Amino acid sequence: AQSVTQPDIHITVSEGASLELRCNYSYGATPYLFWYVQSPGQGLQLLLKYFSGDTLVQGIKGFEAEFKRSQSSFNLRKPSVHWSDAAEYFCAVGINQGGKLIFGQGTELSVKP
Amino acid sequence: GAVVSQHPSWVICKSGTSVKIECRSLDFQATTMFWYRQFPKQSLMLMATSNEGSKATYEQGVEKDKFLINHASLTLSTLTVTSAHPEDSSFYICSAQGPSGNTIYFGEGSWLTVV
Repeated sequence: AQSVTQPDIHITVSEGASLELRCNYSYGATPYLFWYVQSPGQGLQLLLKYFSGDTLVQGIKGFEAEFKRSQSSFNLRKPSVHWSDAAEYFCAVGINQGGKLIFGQGTELSVKP
Repeated sequence: GAVVSQHPSWVICKSGTSVKIECRSLDFQATTMFWYRQFPKQSLMLMATSNEGSKATYEQGVEKDKFLINHASLTLSTLTVTSAHPEDSSFYICSAQGPSGNTIYFGEGSWLTVV
């Protein structure tokens, strides 16, 4: 069955420090992969997506993610975190290359001054 | 760019009543839309796939008679929570696949509180 695992429920980093949020997926075919961010009480904002091609994907707000097929991973990174990055981050896999998404449990990011 | 809009953003209803949430694609046609539910501090769970002109496809464990989905036009899908109970209180969010097929747009979500 398809699934997405985000091993870290909560991460705290200092402002200016680098960030890596982990995501592992289970999917039989070539995955469509997404990272979304959600602020409290708000909807979802797409950070980046991977469909094919270059395995290092650049997104908005300085985020990037790398698709590693051998590790079934799609980790999100940012070289220098800003206080405004504090939010909930969701990794998702698209099913059958369509619009149906399976989400991970989410990682809550806190940023220390 | 393509936008998906939900209405209402917030709704409070009494237990036992029904409430309708709308999901509109504002500048593109969406033959397929998706409805998710998110409980506080939890992830988004897919409830159903809404297909224009045909019946919705529900995920396992979702009561189709309780969560009525209607996709009567290419730009509008509605979710009606019937006989709502406090445990139905949640954040409901819809999405639609964009015209190119490789972008998914989410609505702003709708907070439902059943009292």
